[in-house]
Amino acid sequence: RKEVEQDPGPFNVPEGATVAFNCTYSNSASQSFFWYRQDCRKEPKLLMSVYSSGNEDGRFTAQLNRASQYISLLIRDSKLSDSATYLCVVNMWDTGRRALTFGSGTRLQVQP
Amino acid sequence: ETGVTQTPRHLVMGMTNKKSLKCEQHLGHNAMYWYKQSAKKPLELMFVYNFKEQTENNSVPSRFSPECPNSSHLFLHLHTLQPEDSALYLCASSQALARAGNTIYFGEGSWLTVV
Repeated sequence: RKEVEQDPGPFNVPEGATVAFNCTYSNSASQSFFWYRQDCRKEPKLLMSVYSSGNEDGRFTAQLNRASQYISLLIRDSKLSDSATYLCVVNMWDTGRRALTFGSGTRLQVQP
Repeated sequence: ETGVTQTPRHLVMGMTNKKSLKCEQHLGHNAMYWYKQSAKKPLELMFVYNFKEQTENNSVPSRFSPECPNSSHLFLHLHTLQPEDSALYLCASSQALARAGNTIYFGEGSWLTVV
């Protein structure tokens, strides 16, 4: 099983749609979680952290389910500029990892 | 403008060449990283440095040799690479190591092609 698993997509949605991405992680001791965004041929950038109680930043909502080892990202009212790859990222410090572990990403294409 | 600068942005090298990738961070961070990103694969951690000391080598072949002279600079020396080493090499930094949940900031990457 991959340490951080994501549906690769692509998700093709019309502008204004709501889209949700899921991510599962293998290590139950994982401590912190993030969503990063990576535009085509660019570096990844932090989109938002994921908190246990769930958190929202404008059109973006992140949820964490520790029991199921599952993270989600919901994007409402999709914009063309949301087209990118969304990376699920997990801190696995207790496994000995000294850096964040990245999923392979889910590609989103928002169409006019 | 990114706080993490990588040079060169693009590099084409033969299998017998020796070259180096350079990374500099202007954020006052103490931890620096090299990641490799190949097509359709997740980001692979290569090396971690904390206060210029190597804390993790993720089973990277010896043809990749990192160097961290100080907390602001990180190099990746390349020699006798293989075509499958062609990838985007990303440098990153964070205030401290992952335990503290610090945000990691990436440079724009160096696109490497081995011919």
